[in-house]
Amino acid sequence: LAKTTQPISMDSYEGQEVNITCSHNNIATNDYITWYQQFPSQGPRFIIQGYKTKVTNEVASLFIPADRKSSTLSLPRVSLSDTAVYYCLVVLPTGNQFYFGTGTSLTVIP
Amino acid sequence: DTAVSQTPKYLVTQMGNDKSIKCEQNLGHDTMYWYKQDSKKFLKIMFSYNNKELIINETVPNRFSPKSPDKAHLNLHINSLELGDSAVYFCASSLSGGYYEQYFGPGTRLTVT
Repeated sequence: LAKTTQPISMDSYEGQEVNITCSHNNIATNDYITWYQQFPSQGPRFIIQGYKTKVTNEVASLFIPADRKSSTLSLPRVSLSDTAVYYCLVVLPTGNQFYFGTGTSLTVIP
Repeated sequence: DTAVSQTPKYLVTQMGNDKSIKCEQNLGHDTMYWYKQDSKKFLKIMFSYNNKELIINETVPNRFSPKSPDKAHLNLHINSLELGDSAVYFCASSLSGGYYEQYFGPGTRLTVT
């Protein structure tokens, strides 16, 4: 089961781009990298998922280098409402086993 | 319409009691999950279940048991509650295959006194 390592916390000012890096050295060939966001007193919410290179949606971008041992979630021009915990996880293709790490607590400062 | 719902939202009970948490999803998903989030916000999967297979995290005590009356429901029954069971429990659902995003419920905060 591939585990992930993320910074425990980050602070950013409103309007800045925020990059959160996740390490997953033991990622397997068929694993996908997925990011979730969790607000206080709510369940996690899917943000983005990718396998390699770059994926972009209306909320974020996900950058994955060729060796896939790390990934970076990029949030453009964050606002106060982006204050949340962000989890990186590696999704196994079988067994439905998901490992949520400790997450990164992002605080956006006015 | 709420995609994944859980009841109750809060549950306060005494040690030794037996309690259940209910979960329902209306997304047509075939796989459901239970997670436990402790006071340090560490989110840990307890079970995943679909029509074919129940996968149990080996660290989960056998006092915890999932019960699924149908594809849209996965309830969590807990016997002989202990203080360490206090946490927030999240239900989630997805399509099977592992790659699909999971949809989480709002959580049930369980407090054992």
